[in-house]
Amino acid sequence: GDSVTQMEGPVTLSEEAFLTINCTYTATGYPSLFWYVQYPGEGLQLLLKATKADDKGSNKGFEATYRKETTSFHLEKGSVQVSDSAVYFCALSDRQGGSEKLVFGKGTKLTVNP
Amino acid sequence: ETGVTQTPRHLVMGMTNKKSLKCEQHLGHNAMYWYKQSAKKPLELMFVYSLEERVENNSVPSRFSPECPNSSHLFLHLHTLQPEDSALYLCASSLDSYTDTQYFGPGTRLTVL
Repeated sequence: GDSVTQMEGPVTLSEEAFLTINCTYTATGYPSLFWYVQYPGEGLQLLLKATKADDKGSNKGFEATYRKETTSFHLEKGSVQVSDSAVYFCALSDRQGGSEKLVFGKGTKLTVNP
Repeated sequence: ETGVTQTPRHLVMGMTNKKSLKCEQHLGHNAMYWYKQSAKKPLELMFVYSLEERVENNSVPSRFSPECPNSSHLFLHLHTLQPEDSALYLCASSLDSYTDTQYFGPGTRLTVL
């Protein structure tokens, strides 16, 4: 079945550092791709999405480009802040039966130090 | 209230207790979901409801019993749980079960003693 693999954490950076969190996927069809973020003590929030090849999703300074040739959707941010400390989840949508399901990676914990 | 809310936020129960988790969405969506989030594991989809009908049940043990009385409310009834059921239970909703963007609640942190 479809699956998502993202880099193991935790990732620790200093404020204003460049961030990359790698994500690759396996899918039989043409899924939409997502990054969700989970701040401490909260549920998941949609950070950005891309629905087709070469689309770039962006939000709050974060970007990710849907790369069909490398089956990747890496998350990047040019200058992280302490407030970006959270767990980041890569996910794809998988149409099965009567519903559209999200398949998640295991999550990458990011800690940004001042 | 806006978005997706869940109550209680924290729950501690014994293995012989019966409790219920509640989820409410204020987004006018028609599909609702229960997920289980355990440490070091990907989110596991448990149940999917579309227009109050269950459309997905991912081999979840019968000690978890969902209920969807209307499109805005979703419950997860718990009975005779095991310690390994301790996890964060997340509720989500989407416009319909064919829409890929889901909106999550804050979760209920469940501890089974």
